[in-house]
Amino acid sequence: GESVGLHLPTLSVQEGDNSIINCAYSNSASDYFIWYKQESGKGPQFIIDIRSNMDKRQGQRVTVLLNKTVKHLSLQIAATQPGDSAVYFCAEKYNAGNMLTFGGGTRLMVKP
Amino acid sequence: NAGVTQTPKFQVLKTGQSMTLQCAQDMNHNSMYWYRQDPGMGLRLIYYSASEGTTDKGEVPNGYNVSRLNKREFSLRLESAAPSQTSVYFCASSTEMNTEAFFGQGTRLTVV
Repeated sequence: GESVGLHLPTLSVQEGDNSIINCAYSNSASDYFIWYKQESGKGPQFIIDIRSNMDKRQGQRVTVLLNKTVKHLSLQIAATQPGDSAVYFCAEKYNAGNMLTFGGGTRLMVKP
Repeated sequence: NAGVTQTPKFQVLKTGQSMTLQCAQDMNHNSMYWYRQDPGMGLRLIYYSASEGTTDKGEVPNGYNVSRLNKREFSLRLESAAPSQTSVYFCASSTEMNTEAFFGQGTRLTVV
């Protein structure tokens, strides 16, 4: 069945380095993708989204890349800071459906 | 600027007890959602309300009911709690279906 998954459950990076969090999706009909950040004890917080008619979108210190050929989504965080430590989730929406499907999450740990 | 407010924040129930989780948003959003989050897993959609007056089942609706009381409020009811419903429950809202969603702080429910 369709699924959204993450390659790495935990990512540890040095403060100041760039981080890349990856996500694979299996439904080629998905037309909308979102990245969320969840800090401990809090609800998920929207980071950035991208529609399937785009392959790149930039925000403040974050960039999302979408490769529809290999059904891969990535979140790049520039100059990672301790405040970026959290669990990151990707989610996809199918073209014909109303539900967002979330991946299992990747924990980002930033070392000072 | 309350955003999405959930009550209670913590709850312990005995098997078979019933309870209602409350959610209210002050952003004039049309769509509201209830998710559950289990350890090491992403968010799974229980029920959603695309607009006031409508509700639909999500991925894991069994054992739950919802009420979209008005545009602001969307409640989740457990009629007969089971240990399998031990989870963290998140309410969210968005302007329209599956655009950027804003999440509440979560309700940590334990069923013993």
